[in-house]
Amino acid sequence: DVQLVESGGGLIQPGGSLRLSCAASGFTVNTNYMTWVRQAPGQGLEWVSMIFSGGDTYYADSVKGRFSLSRDKSTNALSLQMNSLRPDDTGVYFCARVVVRLRDLTFSLDDWGRGTLVTVSS
Amino acid sequence: EIVLTQSPGTLALSPGERATLSCRASQSVNSNYLAWYRQKPGQAPRLLIYAASSRAAGIPDRFSGSGSGTDFTLTISRLEPEDFAVFYCQLYVTSPPRLTFGGGTKVEIK
Repeated sequence: DVQLVESGGGLIQPGGSLRLSCAASGFTVNTNYMTWVRQAPGQGLEWVSMIFSGGDTYYADSVKGRFSLSRDKSTNALSLQMNSLRPDDTGVYFCARVVVRLRDLTFSLDDWGRGTLVTVSS
Repeated sequence: EIVLTQSPGTLALSPGERATLSCRASQSVNSNYLAWYRQKPGQAPRLLIYAASSRAAGIPDRFSGSGSGTDFTLTISRLEPEDFAVFYCQLYVTSPPRLTFGGGTKVEIK
C-alpha cells in the first residue's frame, strides 16, 4: 500500500527556515511526480511545489526563490526546504503522489499524507 | 493564469438528497487534467474523480463527474453522512507546469 508521512513542521519565527520531509512507502519517489500542497487555517488548498520524475522542479509564485524541493533516493523521501518564512506561509503542508496515466495523459493527486503544521509567528 | 471558480460556496442539503457542484474555468481547459477531491474535517483531501469523469479506485458510484471546456460538474446522487465535507476541483496547467485549485464547496447538513 502507498503511504506518505510528513514531518518537520513546527513553530518558527518570521524570517526563519524549516525543512519538511515526506517519507514514502509502497512506491519509489524518484520515478514518480510528487507535489506539496498547503492549507492555511480555515482556508482552501494552495499548490506549493512539484517535482517531475525527471527531476525538474516547479514552484508557486508565492514561494519561488524561498522554497526548494528535492528528493532523496536512499531514504525514498521528498524534502521541502523553506527559507525566509513569512506569517502567510502558516498552514498544514501535505505531500501527495501525482499519477500521470500515460495511456490517456490524465493527471491527478492520488495519494496524500496527513500533513504537517507549520506556524510562522513571533 | 487560469482561475477555477466553484459554486455554490455552501450547499445545505439533507442525507439522501442529490448534490450538484459546479467548477468553472476562466478559459477552456483539457478535461484530462481536471480532478475532484473531498476533504473531511481534519483530514487530507481524497481523490474522487480524475479526467473530469473517471471515478478513482474505491470511489462509490454515487459520485459522478461531467463537463468539458470551461464548465465541469460533480454530482453526488444520494448524500451519505461522510459526504458532508468540502469538495475541491483541481486543474493541472502545462505551461509552465503548475496546479490550481478551486475555492471549494462546503456541503453541510440542512
